[in-house]
Amino acid sequence: SAVISQKPSRDICQRGTSLTIQCQVDSQVTMMFWYRQQPGQSLTLIATANQGSEATYESGFVIDKFPISRPNLTFSTLTVSNMSPEDSSIYLCSVNRDSGNTIYFGEGSWLTVV
Amino acid sequence: AQSVTQLGSHVSVSEGALVLLRCNYSSSVPPYLFWYVQYPNQGLQLLLKYTTGATLVKGINGFEAEFKKSETSFHLTKPSAHMSDAAEYFCAVRGTSGNTPLVFGKGTRLSVIA
Repeated sequence: SAVISQKPSRDICQRGTSLTIQCQVDSQVTMMFWYRQQPGQSLTLIATANQGSEATYESGFVIDKFPISRPNLTFSTLTVSNMSPEDSSIYLCSVNRDSGNTIYFGEGSWLTVV
Repeated sequence: AQSVTQLGSHVSVSEGALVLLRCNYSSSVPPYLFWYVQYPNQGLQLLLKYTTGATLVKGINGFEAEFKKSETSFHLTKPSAHMSDAAEYFCAVRGTSGNTPLVFGKGTRLSVIA
């Protein structure tokens, strides 16, 4: 069974709306990482989510646009707010296990904003 | 801060020819290094990784990579390209602490010509 369950797997969204992506991990992890992959591009780290504290955002990403929740050690959500076509991307969550020697990715949430 | 440079956004080889995809990293200390492959409209798949030990790492699908500290490189090779190797390849780096995220290169698209 998958280490990370991510949903939705795909969605088509209207501009101006918001969508929340969920990641469920099959065991407790300290950090969860959220990435974005724009069409034809590489993966860019959006933020690091640590349970019990505010997420840490990378340069170019802000909490108002990408609010993150981390209510417990196995779950996190990323919301893409007030979406525009430029937000059409694959969004992935990731965790490190085995003292960081193994990295797992969710299957990705493929969002298209129209 | 760590970074990854992949030389060549697009590499084209003939079927049966050597595949060489270049990756150089920047890090204050030797990091952990990874190669991922992404086939069209699919998620990431780990090809191989270097953490510690032998610097020549063998991965799936006949790929291998060698960590060269003196050259800060982690180039990916395969002796004989197959049509099914056509995909996007990403080199990634992360720190040796268990809770650090991956930093990805911009990717190299490999085309295999019959």
